[in-house]
Amino acid sequence: DAGITQSPRHKVTETGTPVTLRCHQTENHRYMYWYRQDPGHGLRLIHYSYGVKDTDKGEVSDGYSVSRSKTEDFLLTLESATSSQTSVYFCAISETGVGVNSPLHFGNGTRLTVT
Amino acid sequence: GIQVEQSPPDLILQEGANSTLRCNFSDSVNNLQWFHQNPWGQLINLFYIPSGTKQNGRLSATTVATERYSLLYISSSQTTDSGVYFCAVPSGGSYIPTFGRGTSLIVHP
Repeated sequence: DAGITQSPRHKVTETGTPVTLRCHQTENHRYMYWYRQDPGHGLRLIHYSYGVKDTDKGEVSDGYSVSRSKTEDFLLTLESATSSQTSVYFCAISETGVGVNSPLHFGNGTRLTVT
Repeated sequence: GIQVEQSPPDLILQEGANSTLRCNFSDSVNNLQWFHQNPWGQLINLFYIPSGTKQNGRLSATTVATERYSLLYISSSQTTDSGVYFCAVPSGGSYIPTFGRGTSLIVHP
């Protein structure tokens, strides 16, 4: 299995508080992705990164920011959490980007509840 | 962007039965992946299959890229096969994988 660690695994927070989720990989893969999974919506891309300090938005990026200061770490920040951001968040990695014969591998997810 | 449709949305089987899950996509792709999300929420890679056929034990997958579909076959199903099966394809030459809504499979003993 790919070496991907998400932390924390579970978090409960209050509306309006900032939250940071961490994804750490030991594979030295270039691409990293943050997805959220909600019932009825499947997996939706929030942000992705194609290198250190290189990031771009996905289809549901509003209310989220990301940072990647090292190859191995990709942080997802909710500046002011809202109840609509209650979800399961998955990090994924791929070696060269999935458009060029590079499979996607997932972490085990972070379950976030915003009360 | 590319559209990905999976069918059926739900499937209930008795242990030992065979099944076929389908993934249709609206544009040409140069790779496709199948994942299994187990009841604990983990997303497990099953196949990376841009074209052709691959087999892994009781599971096999076939992708016909020219006709824009992929099939996942599960033979002699077991209760541990329960969960949700997703396919994912990149949008054209992009590095952004798009997921189908999944097929939810329940295998009864």
